[in-house]
Amino acid sequence: EAGVTQFPSHSVIEKGQTVTLRCDPISGHDNLYWYRRVMGKEIKFLLHFVKESKQDESGMPNNRFLAERTGGTYSTLKVQPAELEDSGVYFCASSQDAGAPYEQYFGPGTRLTVT
Amino acid sequence: KQEVTQIPAALSVPEGENLVLNCSFTDSAIYNLQWFRQDPGKGLTSLLLIQSSQREQTSGRLNASLDKSSGRSTLYIAASQPGDSATYLCAVRPRGGRRALTFGSGTRLQVQP
Repeated sequence: EAGVTQFPSHSVIEKGQTVTLRCDPISGHDNLYWYRRVMGKEIKFLLHFVKESKQDESGMPNNRFLAERTGGTYSTLKVQPAELEDSGVYFCASSQDAGAPYEQYFGPGTRLTVT
Repeated sequence: KQEVTQIPAALSVPEGENLVLNCSFTDSAIYNLQWFRQDPGKGLTSLLLIQSSQREQTSGRLNASLDKSSGRSTLYIAASQPGDSATYLCAVRPRGGRRALTFGSGTRLQVQP
């Protein structure tokens, strides 16, 4: 079974540009999560999809971040325009919906550098 | 607001030693607690998950315990090996409908051969 995959693995952009990160969850997992770790801080929750619906977006920092999950499969996270403080590692995770314990499986992350 | 603390921040031990990593959380209303491992430049690998109703979980040389009332969990690693060198993270999921995990800052472990 393939794990959670993320693309790209690294992205370097200039301040003001736009970047789109992609996440492919484990097949059959209805739940998809985005997290990020900025320099020196803990990993923080951004949002949670159930299929194509946003279940919880309480962690989204501001309206420069837009997450979508069209068709309930892969998800994209767009940052527009990027700021220096957006640099960090963005993780995606997925979990099944049926049956406890809803263990979350993480992808390798996308390292974003904004210069 | 849930806060998760991990002590120590870094640990260096000789190979073969048994060791304990600590995780504490401020709000005991949790659904479960997960321990993860992260290797440099890699993603998070789930090691153990403990439901709030459980006291411990074991997988190979790893044993995780949970004392929900005191807001503590420990990860015990027996007979440590150089391949255990990594950062270990704990994360808690709250009770109720939200599934957002709150992470600690991690313990960076180095096992010397």
